[in-house]
Amino acid sequence: AQSVTQPDIHITVSEGASLELRCNYSYGATPYLFWYVQSPGQGLQLLLKYFSGDTLVQGIKGFEAEFKRSQSSFNLRKPSVHWSDAAEYFCAVAPRSSNTGKLIFGQGTTLQVKP
Amino acid sequence: DAGVIQSPRHEVTEMGQEVTLRCKPISGHDYLFWYRQTMMRGLELLIYFNNNVPIDDSGMPEDRFSAKMPNASFSTLKIQPSEPRDSAVYFCASSSRLAGVQETQYFGPGTRLLVL
Repeated sequence: AQSVTQPDIHITVSEGASLELRCNYSYGATPYLFWYVQSPGQGLQLLLKYFSGDTLVQGIKGFEAEFKRSQSSFNLRKPSVHWSDAAEYFCAVAPRSSNTGKLIFGQGTTLQVKP
Repeated sequence: DAGVIQSPRHEVTEMGQEVTLRCKPISGHDYLFWYRQTMMRGLELLIYFNNNVPIDDSGMPEDRFSAKMPNASFSTLKIQPSEPRDSAVYFCASSSRLAGVQETQYFGPGTRLLVL
C-alpha cells in the first residue's frame, strides 16, 4: 500500500545543533515530495519541494532536503536549529501517476528546541 | 495576495447543530482541498475540487458531511448534524496546475471546531 512514514514522532534538539527529520515513502514510482511546517495554532507552510532534477533541495528558513531514490527517503535537514524552529513538521507526497495533486501526509514529527 | 482565507477561525457548537466552514482560495487557483486534522488520525484529505467540480470525495467520513463550491472563490464544508467526534481542525488548501504539473498546495490557517 502507498504510504508515507515519519519514524520519529517527537525530537528534541539543542539550539544551535544540527537537525535531521526522516521521511520514507512507499510508492511504485517516485512521487512529488514536500515538507511542510506547522507552528502551534497555525496552518501549514511549505518549506520545500522536490519535483525533479537536483536531489538536494533548498528551502526557506535555512532548511534543505535530500531525495534518495535508493532509500525511498526525503529527509529534512538544518545545520543549526533556532528556537523558532520548534513546530510540527510534515512530509507529504503526491503521486505522479494520478497528477491530481492529492497530498498524502506522514504523521508528523514534533520538534522541541532546548535553549 | 491574501492567501487562503478560512472562517470562522474557531467554532464551538453543541452536538446536533449544523456547522458551516468557509474557504476562499487564492485567486487563480483551480484546485481546492479540504483536510481534517486530529491527534488520532493526523491530516486527512476529505474532498477536493477542480474548477468548482468535486473530483474525489472518498475521504468524506459520512453523509453528515457535505461540501460545495458554487464559484471559483468560495467553498463550504458543512456538518449536519455535528457530533463530538467531529471536533478537529479543518484546513482548506488551494493550488493550480501549470504545464500539466500540479503545483504546491497553499493552506489556510484552519478552523478549530469543538463540538460539545
